Amino acid sequence: AQSVTQLDSQVPVFEEAPVELRCNYSSSVSVYLFWYVQYPNQGLQLLLKYLSGSTLVKGINGFEAEFNKSQTSFHLRKPSVHISDTAEYFCAVYKAAGNKLTFGGGTRVLVKP
Amino acid sequence: EPEVTQTPSHQVTQMGQEVILRCVPISNHLYFYWYRQILGQKVEFLVSFYNNEISEKSEIFDDQFSVERPDGSNFTLKIRSTKLEDSAMYFCAGGGAGNQPQHFGDGTRLSIL
Repeated sequence: AQSVTQLDSQVPVFEEAPVELRCNYSSSVSVYLFWYVQYPNQGLQLLLKYLSGSTLVKGINGFEAEFNKSQTSFHLRKPSVHISDTAEYFCAVYKAAGNKLTFGGGTRVLVKP
Repeated sequence: EPEVTQTPSHQVTQMGQEVILRCVPISNHLYFYWYRQILGQKVEFLVSFYNNEISEKSEIFDDQFSVERPDGSNFTLKIRSTKLEDSAMYFCAGGGAGNQPQHFGDGTRLSIL
């Protein structure tokens, strides 16, 4: 069964510092990868996606992620965070055979002034 | 930008009662999904729906659950006889071709008493 692991459940970070959120997945077949953000009391908003092509993908709000097939990772980065980036971030994998997203456990980012 | 809308935002129901959660996906979506997130846990897939039938369902989606899209617009999730453990946030999502990003609603918080 497909699994997605987000290694950090919480990441405190100071404003304007860089942040990296780690995501690893288990699969030996082609997958499509996504990062979603959930702000307090809101739904899931797409940050970025990897479907094919360049392994470095850029998303909204200055986020980017790198797909590494050999390490089965899709880590999310932002070079300088803002207070407004305080949210929970979810990595998700889509496999065509299952027609569903499998989510990681989420990483809660708390940006401190 | 079009949004996926879910109603109600919060539903409180007595155990054993039926509940219907409603979703209006974006009009050009072809695939529709329900996910749930129990407090403090990861987002879990429930069911996917395509061409007016279920295309995939999880082990959570037992005989107490059903989905339908009766009028080509609303997409509903019905829980026939609710249990305490059904308390969760329920998210509706829609998307284009299978691996295209899924767009989520803000969720319905279901509380079973």
